[in-house]
Amino acid sequence: RKEVEQDPGPFNVPEGATVAFNCTYSNSASQSFFWYRQDCRKEPKLLMSVYSSGNEDGRFTAQLNRASQYISLLIRDSKLSDSATYLCVVNDYKLSFGAGTTVTVRA
Amino acid sequence: EAGVTQFPSHSVIEKGQTVTLRCDPISGHDNLYWYRRVMGKEIKFLLHFVKESKQDESGMPNNRFLAERTGGTYSTLKVQPAELEDSGVYFCASSQSLDGPLHFGNGTRLTVT
Repeated sequence: RKEVEQDPGPFNVPEGATVAFNCTYSNSASQSFFWYRQDCRKEPKLLMSVYSSGNEDGRFTAQLNRASQYISLLIRDSKLSDSATYLCVVNDYKLSFGAGTTVTVRA
Repeated sequence: EAGVTQFPSHSVIEKGQTVTLRCDPISGHDNLYWYRRVMGKEIKFLLHFVKESKQDESGMPNNRFLAERTGGTYSTLKVQPAELEDSGVYFCASSQSLDGPLHFGNGTRLTVT
């Protein structure tokens, strides 16, 4: 079983739509969680950390469910610029990456 | 604050040759990581330095890969001799704390022909 699993997508959504996707992790002792964004042929960039109570940053909301071992990312009011691959990253002192979820926002 | 810098940005070498990648982490970041993404696969951990010490090198694929971080500042990753399957993008990242987010460099795209 992979350490971090994500739905690869792609999620094709119109501008203004809401899109949400999950990521599951296998190590119950994992301590911290992040969502990174990666644009084509670029380096991953931190989108947001995920805290146990859930957190929001503008149009982005991240949730952590330790009991079921998953984190989620929700994007409200999608913009064209949100088109990217979203990487779920789990830190158990060796960061493990999911393969990424591709989101394409169309006009 | 300067970010993580990697050099070169691209490298094309022939099978059997040697290549050395360099990473300069953010100043003051003790934790330095090397990751690799091969075509169509997820980003995979290679190794982790804390200062000059190798904390975890469980992701290094084989003994053709050698990473160093002398003095706890910049790091190098040498591939010798390179094989076709070593092609991919090699990312370096640094962090201030073990549980903190990583800051990535732009990556080195390595092509072995």
